[in-house]
Amino acid sequence: GNSVTQMEGPVTLSEEAFLTINCTYTATGYPSLFWYVQYPGEGLQLLLKATKADDKGSNKGFEATYRKETTSFHLEKGSVQVSDSAVYFCALRGGGADGLTFGKGTHLIIQP
Amino acid sequence: GAVVSQHPSRVICKSGTSVKIECRSLDFQATTMFWYRQFPKQSLMLMATSNEGSKATYEQGVEKDKFLINHASLTLSTLTVTSAHPEDSSFYICSASGLGAVSRNTEAFFGQGTRLTVV
Repeated sequence: GNSVTQMEGPVTLSEEAFLTINCTYTATGYPSLFWYVQYPGEGLQLLLKATKADDKGSNKGFEATYRKETTSFHLEKGSVQVSDSAVYFCALRGGGADGLTFGKGTHLIIQP
Repeated sequence: GAVVSQHPSRVICKSGTSVKIECRSLDFQATTMFWYRQFPKQSLMLMATSNEGSKATYEQGVEKDKFLINHASLTLSTLTVTSAHPEDSSFYICSASGLGAVSRNTEAFFGQGTRLTVV
């Protein structure tokens, strides 16, 4: 079956630091890959997505590249802000399933 | 993006009672709605998929008689936790996809979640 593994948190960084949150997956076929973000007190929001190998999703300064050879979809941002503090979920859809398969989530804390 | 409203955000109930959670798509019609459950420090686990006008499809290990799902219209799905017990305490999240079949690329929009505590 499908599975998503992402780095455990919390991850604490200073403002303007470089961010990487690792995500690897297992799935049959060619899944679509997503990063969702959950700000305090709010629902999950789609941050970015990629639907085929070598695609790069990007939004709000965040990027992730669909790497089929390493089955990875790492999230990166060059300079984080305090407002980026949230929980980030890596997810996939595919392998014949309509629902999303999520990683455990990574709590990101950005300190001023 | 589209808005999905989930209600209530928090509920406390006594053991043995039933609780209903509503999920509404406010500005679009949702053919398919999904219900997830999240345990502390765990990922969101898909419980069931519901299609408007059809019976829900439950994931393995989810008791369909305990977690009743109704998707009677294109804008409303409900999850009823029947005869709740403390082990049902969790965070429940719904998501909705727009009209048409769900494909690999379909975006899902999420509700804010419901924190259920059974005492």
